[in-house]
Amino acid sequence: DQQVKQNSPSLSVQEGRISILNCDYTNSMFDYFLWYKKYPAEGPTFLISISSIKDKNEDGRFTVFLNKSAKHLSLHIVPSQPGDSAVYFCAASPPDNYGQNFVFGPGTRLSVLP
Amino acid sequence: DGGITQSPKYLFRKEGQNVTLSCEQNLNHDAMYWYRQDPGQGLRLIYYSQIVNDFQKGDIAEGYSVSREKKESFPLTVTSAQKNPTAFYLCASSIQSGRYYEQYFGPGTRLTVT
Repeated sequence: DQQVKQNSPSLSVQEGRISILNCDYTNSMFDYFLWYKKYPAEGPTFLISISSIKDKNEDGRFTVFLNKSAKHLSLHIVPSQPGDSAVYFCAASPPDNYGQNFVFGPGTRLSVLP
Repeated sequence: DGGITQSPKYLFRKEGQNVTLSCEQNLNHDAMYWYRQDPGQGLRLIYYSQIVNDFQKGDIAEGYSVSREKKESFPLTVTSAQKNPTAFYLCASSIQSGRYYEQYFGPGTRLTVT
């Protein structure tokens, strides 16, 4: 049973528009969340994180929102660029683990169309 | 410059043969990890090691073995007991940043067993 779910396998967005990638989790004790970006045949690269004491974290064009009551987080990319086309993984850290071990979602493939 | 090296990028083996995947890091990170990625699935943890000469099984350790004789190196052996070895294998290392850990990934090795 997947503890971290990304229900949209793929998403297409026009260049310049907002991309919203969603992630749901089942374990209410997760306390640290991350987004990774992955290009084909490469390892994932860290994008942005958020701890459970916050509901928003922003870094340039990337913003992550956390709704603890809904056990939901989302990644907003504004404006979207063709170079953002990649697979995005959501990951969560079990409590008292501080990110030593993550549980990853299945990923969402984002395509930004020029 | 610092990073994680995985070699080779592509690896082909016949069924029934053991194969060892290399992972080296010069980031001076204590913890190292092996993940497996299959289409439509998130990264699944095979083994991890938090210090030299110590390692723990992840979620899917059956059919795999590891060693951690040096801080820099964490090789993964895919044994003939692994029923579905064809996959993309990712090695990672982590370091504590503030309260939490951040994981850094290597470029991956795609293993094909026929």
